[in-house]
Amino acid sequence: EADIYQTPRYLVIGTGKKITLECSQTMGHDKMYWYQQDPGMELHLIHYSYGVNSTEKGDLSSESTVSRIRTEHFPLTLESARPSHTSQYLCASSEWRGRDAEQFFGPGTRLTVL
Amino acid sequence: KQEVTQIPAALSVPEGENLVLNCSFTDSAIYNLQWFRQDPGKGLTSLLLIQSSQREQTSGRLNASLDKSSGRSTLYIAASQPGDSATYLCAVLETGTASKLTFGTGTRLQVTL
Repeated sequence: EADIYQTPRYLVIGTGKKITLECSQTMGHDKMYWYQQDPGMELHLIHYSYGVNSTEKGDLSSESTVSRIRTEHFPLTLESARPSHTSQYLCASSEWRGRDAEQFFGPGTRLTVL
Repeated sequence: KQEVTQIPAALSVPEGENLVLNCSFTDSAIYNLQWFRQDPGKGLTSLLLIQSSQREQTSGRLNASLDKSSGRSTLYIAASQPGDSATYLCAVLETGTASKLTFGTGTRLQVTL
C-alpha cells in the first residue's frame, strides 16, 4: 500500500546529540516537505525538495539540514540538538503536478530535547 | 504575507448536529485550498482539496466550499459523530510559492454523546 512513513515516532534525547529523523514514501512522489509544529500552533515549512539532489529552505528558519539522495527518502538531521528544537516534525509528499498537487502527510515525529 | 485564520478555535457539539468550520485567507492568489484532520499527537489526514477554479468539493458527510475572491472557505460536517472529534486545519497553496502550504491554527472539534 502506498504510504508515507516517519521514524522514530517519539524521541527523547539529551542536549548536544546528533539526530536524524527519517521520512520515506512509497508513492513515487517527486516533491517532499518537512514541517515543524509546536503544540497548539500552526505548521511551518522548514525544508522542501523538488526531487533527487534538490533541497530548499522553507519559511521558518531552522538549524536542521536535509538531503535527498533517493526519490523515496528525505531525512532531516540536527547536528547538535537543543531544548529549543523540541517540537513535532511532520513530513509530507506530493506529485509534481503543480497547482493540483495534494500533499500527503506522515504520522510525525515528536522530539523532546532535555 | 499570506495569513490564514480559522474560526472558531474550539467547538463542542452534541452528536448528530450539522456544523460549519470557517477558514479565511488574506491573499486570494492561490492554487488550491486543502482541509486536513489531525488527531492528537498524530500526523495530518487530507480530507478535501478544492482547486482555485472550483466552488466546492464533497466527500461523504463533508462538504467544503471556496470563495476565492472574498478569501473564505467553509467545511460543513453533516450528522456529526464522536469519531469526528479532532483538530481541523485548512491550508492554502499560494501561486508562485513552489507548493508551500500556509496553514491556519485549526479548529478543535469535540462531538459529545
